[in-house]
Amino acid sequence: AQSVAQPEDQVNVAEGNPLTVKCTYSVSGNPYLFWYVQYPNRGLQFLLKYITGDNLVKGSYGFEAEFNKSQTSFHLKKPSALVSDSALYFCAVRGISGGYNKLIFGAGTRLAVHP
Amino acid sequence: DVKVTQSSRYLVKRTGEKVFLECVQDMDHENMFWYRQDPGLGLRLIYFSYDVKMKEKGDIPEGYSVSREKKERFSLILESASTNQTSMYLCASKPTPLGNTGELFFGEGSRLTVL
Repeated sequence: AQSVAQPEDQVNVAEGNPLTVKCTYSVSGNPYLFWYVQYPNRGLQFLLKYITGDNLVKGSYGFEAEFNKSQTSFHLKKPSALVSDSALYFCAVRGISGGYNKLIFGAGTRLAVHP
Repeated sequence: DVKVTQSSRYLVKRTGEKVFLECVQDMDHENMFWYRQDPGLGLRLIYFSYDVKMKEKGDIPEGYSVSREKKERFSLILESASTNQTSMYLCASKPTPLGNTGELFFGEGSRLTVL
């Protein structure tokens, strides 16, 4: 079955500290993996993606994600968190349903960065 | 930049009313999607369309229908709104698979409350 798990409902981090938001996936074949961010009362914004190549992917706003095939994980990271990073983060994997590609989303992780 | 516009940001409707949610994209994308977002459940796909007048059911199509009469416009219709359809509705688009690795472009969302 195709699925994405974000095991933490919320992550709390102090400003300036590194942050990690976890994601694991289950999909057949080579995965296409994505991270999106949602600020309050807004739509989702694309952050970064892994398709192939280097396991460390860099994206917008200083975020990066590490693809680990053996652990089927794609954790989102940032070396130094900002208060403005506080938002809802979604991990997604490309799956196939009825012959069509679609994105399967995790439940989301709320990141709270405290001053 | 791709722009996906959802005409109504906030709506309040009564049980049994017919509700139209409109979405327009300006980048000539073939594929358009409607998701609903609920806390703890992430994004769930309602319907999608890969071409004008074409539509496919997603994971939770019950109680919804869609219309794609023009390439740029994808409408979500609630024939008889119910309280369990109170949610945030997100429209998204993307070009065809060739040359595209799957990321979606989202609108700002339409928050629907059914009383």
